[in-house]
Amino acid sequence: NAGVTQTPKFHILKTGQSMTLQCAQDMNHGYLSWYRQDPGMGLRRIHYSVAAGITDKGEVPDGYVVSRSKTENFPLTLESATRSQTSVYFCASMGEETQYFGPGTRLLVL
Amino acid sequence: GQNIDQPTEMTATEGAIVQINCTYQTSGFNGLFWYQQHAGEAPTFLSYNVLDGLEEKGRFSSFLSRSKGYSYLLLKELQMKDSASYLCAVRDTPNAGKSTFGDGTTLTVKP
Repeated sequence: NAGVTQTPKFHILKTGQSMTLQCAQDMNHGYLSWYRQDPGMGLRRIHYSVAAGITDKGEVPDGYVVSRSKTENFPLTLESATRSQTSVYFCASMGEETQYFGPGTRLLVL
Repeated sequence: GQNIDQPTEMTATEGAIVQINCTYQTSGFNGLFWYQQHAGEAPTFLSYNVLDGLEEKGRFSSFLSRSKGYSYLLLKELQMKDSASYLCAVRDTPNAGKSTFGDGTTLTVKP
């Protein structure tokens, strides 16, 4: 039982390039979320999904696209990266009373 | 709108007790979480309060007052490894996982 896994751990991207961050969970949870965390700030939700085939926007969705074809996976795509998207990205899976966070992806956009 | 306030930084001494406060104003309330996050790592769950009162888990306790929109995390017998950021999050709808996070409190424990 790996919980929530994310790949890659770290990536450097150039402005305008596309990139997909992977998130996988093996707990059969329906609710998954993507967050970004910037220095000195809390977690801000980008997109979330309550079940396979259903996604919705969070607080800061602009510039990001998600899909949920299977319960296990919830990829996040930056279609045309901008420097403001430099951040640490966390995927989280919701259990009964808590969220389980993946280890994070550190993304640098130059 | 959603508003969650926590102190930005706190410092305490090893072996002491520290209380980290969190006040919130949200459109709904369905539980309050506390997470611990060490630098460069993912947040990890500490506690969940949905009813008023104190929940104790070893050295950590969390208190909630829904009428006051107030919670605190109490850390006893502080250890150096408790130096971390502590995040308060409010679940504002019954939809599991829909939480709003505060900016976090960075706790530094000194010898």
